[in-house]
Amino acid sequence: DAGVTQSPTHLIKTRGQHVTLRCSPISGHKSVSWYQQVLGQGPQFIFQYYEKEERGRGNFPDRFSARQFPNYSSELNVNALLLGDSALYLCASSLGLAGGNPYEQYFGPGTRLTVT
Amino acid sequence: GQNIDQPTEMTATEGAIVQINCTYQTSGFNGLFWYQQHAGEAPTFLSYNVLDGLEEKGRFSSFLSRSKGYSYLLLKELQMKDSASYLCAVSMFYNQGGKLIFGQGTELSVKP
Repeated sequence: DAGVTQSPTHLIKTRGQHVTLRCSPISGHKSVSWYQQVLGQGPQFIFQYYEKEERGRGNFPDRFSARQFPNYSSELNVNALLLGDSALYLCASSLGLAGGNPYEQYFGPGTRLTVT
Repeated sequence: GQNIDQPTEMTATEGAIVQINCTYQTSGFNGLFWYQQHAGEAPTFLSYNVLDGLEEKGRFSSFLSRSKGYSYLLLKELQMKDSASYLCAVSMFYNQGGKLIFGQGTELSVKP
């Protein structure tokens, strides 16, 4: 079975631009969480979506938004990119609500975003 | 606030044993995870503790003391491939977003 997939793998954008990152969860998983990992730091929680509804939001500005589609895939959107948005963006998939059965969060390979 | 502390770097010798400590202060707790992350790759699950005590899985063991807000990951018979970052993470309940709160990671270097 395929694991969590993310696209694109790498992305280079300019300050002020917009970016859309995509995530496909493991088949049967209904929850997707997004994390930002700056070099040398641990991942920071951005959003969790379950059954197409936002169930959790981290301490990120409104420039960050996300949505989940009927097939449970998800998009993370970042507007007005800043240099500080350069990071590895990780998507994690779980069967149910993450925090209900913690065993079930699986991470994708991530999208490396570079803002110049 | 939420705070998870772990050492930034550790060095150990191939074949040896190393213990990576993690202390936490969080507003909720639904278990503690340890992940391994090689450079440029996604974190991969190593262990999970929700009750006090030691969980053993092959060369890796993890310990939790909830009353002390303390955990450690023990790696035995170190191999060169164990060189990686080790992330300690606290899981929050679903009504707190179900998020994982990560420490900054401990970069482990295994030397011959």
